[in-house]
Amino acid sequence: AQSVTQPDIHITVSEGASLELRCNYSYGATPYLFWYVQSPGQGLQLLLKYFSGDTLVQGIKGFEAEFKRSQSSFNLRKPSVHWSDAAEYFCAVVPNYGGSQGNLIFGKGTKLSVKP
Amino acid sequence: DAGVIQSPRHEVTEMGQEVTLRCKPISGHDYLFWYRQTMMRGLELLIYFNNNVPIDDSGMPEDRFSAKMPNASFSTLKIQPSEPRDSAVYFCASSNPGYPETQYFGPGTRLLVL
Repeated sequence: AQSVTQPDIHITVSEGASLELRCNYSYGATPYLFWYVQSPGQGLQLLLKYFSGDTLVQGIKGFEAEFKRSQSSFNLRKPSVHWSDAAEYFCAVVPNYGGSQGNLIFGKGTKLSVKP
Repeated sequence: DAGVIQSPRHEVTEMGQEVTLRCKPISGHDYLFWYRQTMMRGLELLIYFNNNVPIDDSGMPEDRFSAKMPNASFSTLKIQPSEPRDSAVYFCASSNPGYPETQYFGPGTRLLVL
């Protein structure tokens, strides 16, 4: 079945440490790929997206993500985490086939806690 | 620029009552999406519109749910009658012409049905 998997429900990192959040998808063709962040009580904010081209994409707030076709992965990274990064992070895909248009399919999310 | 606006931000109602959620998309956007977020099911697309026309409503859970978009700047999601299992956060999102995939979300409406 087509799906988006975020294997880590909750991750805790120390402030200043590096971060990697995992995302795997299972679609036949390379979908459009997104990472969103949701702060408590807030809506979702788009961090970055990948449609095609360079497999390393830069986003806002110092985040980046790398698309690896061979692993069907789109992991989110940040070299040095700040306390304000504590939030929930969602990976999402739009299947890249005719008629899919804007059907964003979300993973279950990874909650990030940051230790002082 | 104003983002997507949703009202109310919080709604508490009793089972059986009608609930109407409202959304104003970003000006110039021609796609509008309604999502529901629950702990059990995560974020789910309910319905989306393009140029005020419903394109895909396959995510609408049942006939108790209905959505309308009478013009480019306003949409409603209605639940009648409401049930406790409808308790969730409902998000509206909009996107630019030609780029339905890149969606901008509103702050959400937190609905509690008692």
